[in-house]
Amino acid sequence: GAVVSQHPSRVICKSGTSVKIECRSLDFQATTMFWYRQFPKQSLMLMATSNEGSKATYEQGVEKDKFLINHASLTLSTLTVTSAHPEDSSFYICSARVAGGAYTEAFFGQGTRLTVV
Amino acid sequence: QKEVEQNSGPLSVPEGAIASLNCTYSDRVSQSFFWYRQYSGKSPELIMSIYSNGDKEDGRFTAQLNKASQYVSLLIRDSQPSDSATYLCAVQRGGGNKLTFGTGTQLKVEL
Repeated sequence: GAVVSQHPSRVICKSGTSVKIECRSLDFQATTMFWYRQFPKQSLMLMATSNEGSKATYEQGVEKDKFLINHASLTLSTLTVTSAHPEDSSFYICSARVAGGAYTEAFFGQGTRLTVV
Repeated sequence: QKEVEQNSGPLSVPEGAIASLNCTYSDRVSQSFFWYRQYSGKSPELIMSIYSNGDKEDGRFTAQLNKASQYVSLLIRDSQPSDSATYLCAVQRGGGNKLTFGTGTQLKVEL
């Protein structure tokens, strides 16, 4: 399958600081990337859909000013958690869809475990 | 009604047995269906995709889709302890659209 690389895999930050998470498609072009958050023992919750060169589409209830998404190229999307608070501690996962075709599979990055202290 | 429903489990099966995981979805226009495996603390890994009615086999895995019943399942033959994980069912409306995930079924394969 296609490879999606997410970095960092784990980060601890102080409350009030910002954290940037990178998601790269290594061997394919991804016109669309998705950002998810997963709390312990819960399923993936879609936060936003990121399309290359345009503004991200956020799901209801997700603050776009707090979770900044940039998809500047066909292989890179970033999620910045601004002014992080302990309740933002979670497992953040990106996925990328192979460009083109009607039926395309989404592949996931390794995930980033964020702990805000 | 949840868009994608799965029994949370845990589903316990003995090693070597067939594990059967089920998923129902509510959106009749759904076109693409996926099964992901997620180990604890890790991100999901794509196991199978299926787009048309019937069975699709890949090694020990078989996905089954019945669009009339809005039902998709995953069979794991010769279950191994390494298959112990949470299996997520995901449904997509059409190409390029977002995936909607179920809450996952925890599978435990016991020695």
